[in-house]
Amino acid sequence: AQTVTQSQPEMSVQEAETVTLSCTYDTSESDYYLFWYKQPPSRQMILVIRQEAYKQQNATENRFSVNFQKAAKSFSLKISDSQLGDAAMYFCAYRSPGRAGKSTFGDGTTLTVKP
Amino acid sequence: GAGVSQSPSNKVTEKGKDVELRCDPISGHTALYWYRQSLGQGLEFLIYFQGNSAPDKSGLPSDRFSAERTGGSVSTLTIQRTQQEDSAVYLCASIFGHSNTGELFFGEGSRLTVL
Repeated sequence: AQTVTQSQPEMSVQEAETVTLSCTYDTSESDYYLFWYKQPPSRQMILVIRQEAYKQQNATENRFSVNFQKAAKSFSLKISDSQLGDAAMYFCAYRSPGRAGKSTFGDGTTLTVKP
Repeated sequence: GAGVSQSPSNKVTEKGKDVELRCDPISGHTALYWYRQSLGQGLEFLIYFQGNSAPDKSGLPSDRFSAERTGGSVSTLTIQRTQQEDSAVYLCASIFGHSNTGELFFGEGSRLTVL
């Protein structure tokens, strides 16, 4: 079974600065998908960024980028130019490929943005 | 509907009562998950439905928990003889089963409080 580990329960960052959230995972599969989801205080979870394991290029979405190290099974999220609206709980998730793919989540990292 | 809809948004019940939580996924999404999230904690997998396949019930914490999905669409999570430790937010998510991206779409959750 796959496992996802987020070793930082809480992180804080000053507004406009950069922060990196860590995620490691364990799998024996060669093809899979990785995700970062954001859960603001309003509770609804939304997708921040995704990465396909077969792609070597790191995904980027505006101020959000990932550092995907397949051999190390590491998938960190970098938030640049942090904004107050980035304050939320962030979850790293793993999904197996195919129609029967199941998603596994880490325990989350709570990010505080200081003005 | 446009998004995943869950009801009720909040439910307060007395210990020992049964509760039903409903999830209406995005139209056309063949896979559906239930997760449980205790206050400030990560997502605990409960059950996974994929098309007409037998559901993956490996996350259900006890036989007081059950779920069904009728007609491949709406799902109901039932908790019998509720206990105080069942208090949590119950999140539903759906996904297009043939999707290569694997993104989950979440509802806003049902907050259950057992007195």
